[in-house]
Parts: sequence; structure tokens; C-alpha cells
Amino acid sequence: GQQVMQIPQYQHVQEGEDFTTYCNSSTTLSNIQWYKQRPGGHPVFLIQLVKSGEVKKQKRLTFQFGEAKKNSSLHITATQTTDVGTYFCAGRGGGTSYGKLTFGQGTILTVHP
Amino acid sequence: KAGVTQTPRYLIKTRGQQVTLSCSPISGHRSVSWYQQTPGQGLQFLFEYFSETQRNKGNFPGRFSGRQFSNSRSEMNVSTLELGDSALYLCASSPPGGVGEQFFGPGTRLTVL
Repeated sequence: GQQVMQIPQYQHVQEGEDFTTYCNSSTTLSNIQWYKQRPGGHPVFLIQLVKSGEVKKQKRLTFQFGEAKKNSSLHITATQTTDVGTYFCAGRGGGTSYGKLTFGQGTILTVHP
Repeated sequence: KAGVTQTPRYLIKTRGQQVTLSCSPISGHRSVSWYQQTPGQGLQFLFEYFSETQRNKGNFPGRFSGRQFSNSRSEMNVSTLELGDSALYLCASSPPGGVGEQFFGPGTRLTVL
């Protein structure tokens, strides 16, 4: 079945440093979503990427979808303490807009002030 | 609009018992998905319901079942509980016409003793 691998599992940074998490799928995806879960909270939707090679930005966050639609990345510039949490990618397969979502294991980001 | 609500928030059961968890999606959302979240396995997809029909199913044993009612509210049931079923069970709903983004509820923390 479809597998989505995410690295690194943990990332500790000093406030102001950049952060990147990577996501790789065993199969071609129809789209990929990114979520953030604060400690003690529930996942919150950040963005969806659909097109091959797509790049989207949200303030300090940059999301990329690979050309082959099998990998993706999230880059945060100049991290802040409010960025702390777990970042998940979730790939949708099946060639449709409502196929099963498979989540990566998540990257736990810690930001030291 | 009120968010996704889940009841109960916490539950303690013993091995062999069964449990029913409830989820009320955001008003107007017809798609409801269930996920199991554990520290070791991350977020794992259980099933998705749309208009009272199961649309997608994850790789969980038959002890895990669900249903959706005509008002889009959903329940999941776990029979013959095992210690390994201890987890946070998250429900998520998706809006019609959206990109399939998941709006998560606060979850039900199930502990099996």
C-alpha cells in the first residue's frame, strides 16, 4: 500500500534559524497536504499542493511539491517560538480528489529562544 | 461555526470490552474521517464516510467499525479491546467543494487497561 515517509523525526533549532522537513511517497500522489499540530492540540490544515513542481508561500513558510509528485517539503525561514509543534505531510493517492489520505510520521520542531 | 466535536474526551476501558466514540462534524460538512494517533505509529487512517457510505478504509482489523448518520454525525466502534488500542482517536470533517482539507476535532483519548 501507499507509504509516506517524513524526515527528520525531530529538529531542534535556535530561534531565527531555518527549518525544513521532507516528505517522500512510495507512489505518485494526486495531491499533498500539510498540517501543524501544537503540543496537546489537534492537527490544523496549512495548505494543499496539487500541481507538479508547485511552490506556495505563507509568510515565512514555503511549500514545494516535486516534479514527479512523489515528494514534498516545508521550509520555515527564521523560526519563531510560535512555530513549535509537529508538522505532518499527508499524501492523497488513488488518482482522485477524494482518495485515502496517508500521513507521514511527522517532524517534531523545537525552537529554543 | 462550531468546530468538530467529539465525545467523550477521555475514556478508560479494560481489555475485552467494547467502546463507541462519537463525532459531530462542522455544520454542512458531509465527509467524516477517523484517525488513530499513537506516539509510535503516528496518524493512521481508519475510515472515511460520505453521505452515510464508507468511501475509504484503512488497514485496521474488523474490530474497528464505523457508521455515519443522515445528519452526518459519525460513530466508531471498537470491539474486544486490546492494550494496543490505547490511543488518541481523531475525527475530521471536510467541507463540500473544498480541497479535501481535514478539520480535526479535539480527539478522544482511549486508555485500555
